Parts: sequence; structure tokens; C-alpha cells
Amino acid sequence: QLVLTQSPSASASLGDSVKLTCTLSSGHSGFTIAWHQHQPEKGPRFLMKLNSDGSHNKGDGIPDRFSGSSSGAERYLTISSLQSEDEADYYCQTWGTGFRLFGGGTKLTVL
Amino acid sequence: EVQLVESGGGLVQPGGSLRLSCAASGFTFSSYTMSWVRQAPGKGLEWVSYISSSSTTVYYTDSVKGRFTISRDDAKNSLSLQMNSLRAEDTAVYFCAREAPPYGEFDYWGQGTLVTVSS
Repeated sequence: QLVLTQSPSASASLGDSVKLTCTLSSGHSGFTIAWHQHQPEKGPRFLMKLNSDGSHNKGDGIPDRFSGSSSGAERYLTISSLQSEDEADYYCQTWGTGFRLFGGGTKLTVL
Repeated sequence: EVQLVESGGGLVQPGGSLRLSCAASGFTFSSYTMSWVRQAPGKGLEWVSYISSSSTTVYYTDSVKGRFTISRDDAKNSLSLQMNSLRAEDTAVYFCAREAPPYGEFDYWGQGTLVTVSS
């Protein structure tokens, strides 16, 4: 069964970098995912599509501070030069025939 | 500019019905697959339903099968979700989302509409 696992929370200081992880369940390491940012009281925002080889395509207007990488079953979202507005929930998402699936989300706190 | 604007949310009693709408603009609506995604209070995002660009294919998450119906009106650039036999656990903010071709990732989202199922 395909499952996306994310740590519930992460924190980092203003100006620092943070790396969030999305882990694909066993046997599904080849899946492409997407990363989304969800700030309170707003609709989610598409950040990027991230392939198993680490190549990624970002959404419209997404700053260079946001980047993605992959290693095996792990998919990473790295945010550099953290800003206060980066404080949000971050979700990974994948898909297949007949389904769309989200990870549980990571709540990022910017200290 | 791509815009997705949901409407139709509100308070409904258990067992009741509600119809959500999503008005799309800024892109050729008929060419895109669309989905509904929800977020229950304090919970994460949950995909609800999908409709292909030609309306030929629809999918639902198991918990809403037989109760919810997704549809689209390409002439009106509109996506709908008819929700029947509503339960307390359907309480959530409902978002419509566009899928980037050829399939899969949601590349644009609406701001959401709140559905509360309570007596």
C-alpha cells in the first residue's frame, strides 16, 4: 500500500535553511511527488513537482529559495534563507490511476 | 491569471445535502482534469474526488463513494460537488484544485469553502 510519511513538525531559525522529508512506502520509490505549502486561512500553493531522479519543476512565482531533491524513497524540500512567511504546513502529494494521495504534512515553525 | 473560487459551503444537518461549486477562470477549463480536496479541522489534506477533462472518468475516495457526485460544466467553466447523506466527519474546508497535465500534481488551488455538518 502506498503511503507518504512526513514528520509532523520541524523548526528552524530566520535566515537558516531547513530540509523537509517525504518518505514513500516500500516498493514505491520510483514515484513522482509534488510539494505544496499551506498557510493558515489560505488555499494551498503548489511549490514543485519532484521526480525520483531529483529533477523538479517549480510552480509559477516560486522563489529560488525553494528546491527539491531525491534519494531512493526519500523526497526532500529544502527552503533556504528562511523568512517568517515560510511558516506553514507543507504537504507532499502523489498520484496514480484512481487515486491522489497526501502525506500527513509537516508544520514548519520559523523561530 | 488562473483563479479558482469555491462557493456553496455552509451548515447542514447530518443526513442532509449540499452542493459546492468552483468557478474557474484564466485558463481553458475544458482541457484540465479537476479535483476536490478537503481539510477537516486540525487534520491534513485529503483528496476527495477527481474528474477528467472530458468527464469520462471520475474517481472518489472510499469514504464518499455513493454519497458524493463530482461533475463539471465546461460551457460555464464550473466544477461541482453534490454531497448527499452528509456525516459529521465530512465537516471540512473543501478546496477545488486543477491538475497539471498529463496528470497528477495539483498546480492551482482555490481558497476553499467551509462545510459544517452538525445538528
